[in-house]
Amino acid sequence: AQSVAQPEDQVNVAEGNPLTVKCTYSVSGNPYLFWYVQYPNRGLQFLLKYITGDNLVKGSYGFEAEFNKSQTSFHLKKPSALVSDSALYFCAVREIYNFNKFYFGSGTKLNVKP
Amino acid sequence: DAGVIQSPRHEVTEMGQEVTLRCKPISGHDYLFWYRQTMMRGLELLIYFNNNVPIDDSGMPEDRFSAKMPNASFSTLKIQPSEPRDSAVYFCASRDTSGGYGLHYEQYFGPGTRLTVT
Repeated sequence: AQSVAQPEDQVNVAEGNPLTVKCTYSVSGNPYLFWYVQYPNRGLQFLLKYITGDNLVKGSYGFEAEFNKSQTSFHLKKPSALVSDSALYFCAVREIYNFNKFYFGSGTKLNVKP
Repeated sequence: DAGVIQSPRHEVTEMGQEVTLRCKPISGHDYLFWYRQTMMRGLELLIYFNNNVPIDDSGMPEDRFSAKMPNASFSTLKIQPSEPRDSAVYFCASRDTSGGYGLHYEQYFGPGTRLTVT
């Protein structure tokens, strides 16, 4: 079965500093990995995805994620954090044989302080 | 496009009452999903439809939950009777595969309905 784990409930970073939100995955084949962001009282918004190809994936709002097969990780990164990046971030993995089933991590709350 | 629309945004009801949550997917999207989000269990897929037909309802917790999609622009999730443990945020999402099956993986989420059952 596919699953993802987000080991940190919360990440605190100062504005202008780089940020990393961690995600590790467990799949029985090639992983299809995603990051979503949830702002207060809003639905989840797609940020980026890894399907195949380059291990560094670029997404919306200046975010990027690095796929590391040997460490089974897919960490979300941004070189310079903004206060407006403060939100809840979810890592997700898609089921191998079902394009419609996603398994989401527990979420990581990112706090960016001015 | 206005995005996925859900109503109501907040619902407070008493145990035993029937609750109906509504969703309007993005026009042209052929998949619709219902999720539930709780602190304890995170985000769970309840059911999804393809072209208005329920495909997988294995996530529906029990018979008290039912979902319908009478047409391409409307879906409901009904809980009858409701219980306090059903309190959660319920999200609807839609997806477009018209560009080729599997090419478009992103799901577009609505703002959610926060349900409180007292």
